[in-house]
Amino acid sequence: EPEVTQTPSHQVTQMGQEVILRCVPISNHLYFYWYRQILGQKVEFLVSFYNNEISEKSEIFDDQFSVERPDGSNFTLKIRSTKLEDSAMYFCASQDGGYEQFFGPGTRLTVL
Amino acid sequence: RKEVEQDPGPFNVPEGATVAFNCTYSNSASQSFFWYRQDCRKEPKLLMSVYSSGNEDGRFTAQLNRASQYISLLIRDSKLSDSATYLCVGDNAGNNRKLIWGLGTSLAVNP
Repeated sequence: EPEVTQTPSHQVTQMGQEVILRCVPISNHLYFYWYRQILGQKVEFLVSFYNNEISEKSEIFDDQFSVERPDGSNFTLKIRSTKLEDSAMYFCASQDGGYEQFFGPGTRLTVL
Repeated sequence: RKEVEQDPGPFNVPEGATVAFNCTYSNSASQSFFWYRQDCRKEPKLLMSVYSSGNEDGRFTAQLNRASQYISLLIRDSKLSDSATYLCVGDNAGNNRKLIWGLGTSLAVNP
C-alpha cells in the first residue's frame, strides 16, 4: 500500500540553524500539506501546496518557513533560522482528489 | 471561540464499555468532518468521515448535527486497542482543503 514517507525521523539542531524536513508524498497525489504538533497540543496547519505553488499558509508560516517540490517527488519544508518554539512534530500529508489526507510518520524536531 | 472544540478527557473505561465523544465547531460553512485517531507520538490516521446524517463502521458510529454544529463518535464494545487520542477535524469551508483540528480526546480502555 502506498504511503507518505518522511526523513529524518528525528532532527536535533541548535537555535538559529537552518533545517530541511523532507517528505515523499504518495505518487499521483495532487495536494500537499505540512502540519506541526507541539507536544501536548493540537495539530496545527502550516501550509498547503497545489499545482507547484502555495495555496494557503497559516500565520505560523512566516518568512522563516518555505516549501519546495524540487523534483516532482520530494516535498520539503525549510526553516531558515530555528527558534526554541519550533520544537515539535512536523507531519507531511498528501491527498488526491478525494477527501482523505494521508499523513507521513512525522519528523520530531528538537531545537536546543 | 475555538474553531473545533473537544473535551480533552481523559476517558478511562473498562473493556466492553460504550463510550461517546463530542465535538463542536464554529464555522457553519464547514462541509466535511472527520474523526482521526492518533496513537502516542504517531501520525494521525483517518478513522472515519462524517458527511451528512452520520455513518457507522463496525463498532464505530459518527453523527453530525448541522443545526447544533455538533459531531459525536460512539465506540461500542471497546477494546484495549482502542486506547488512543481521537481527533475531531473539520474543513475550513474553502477550496484549499485545509483541515481544522480539535485538541483531541484521550481514551484509555482498561482490562
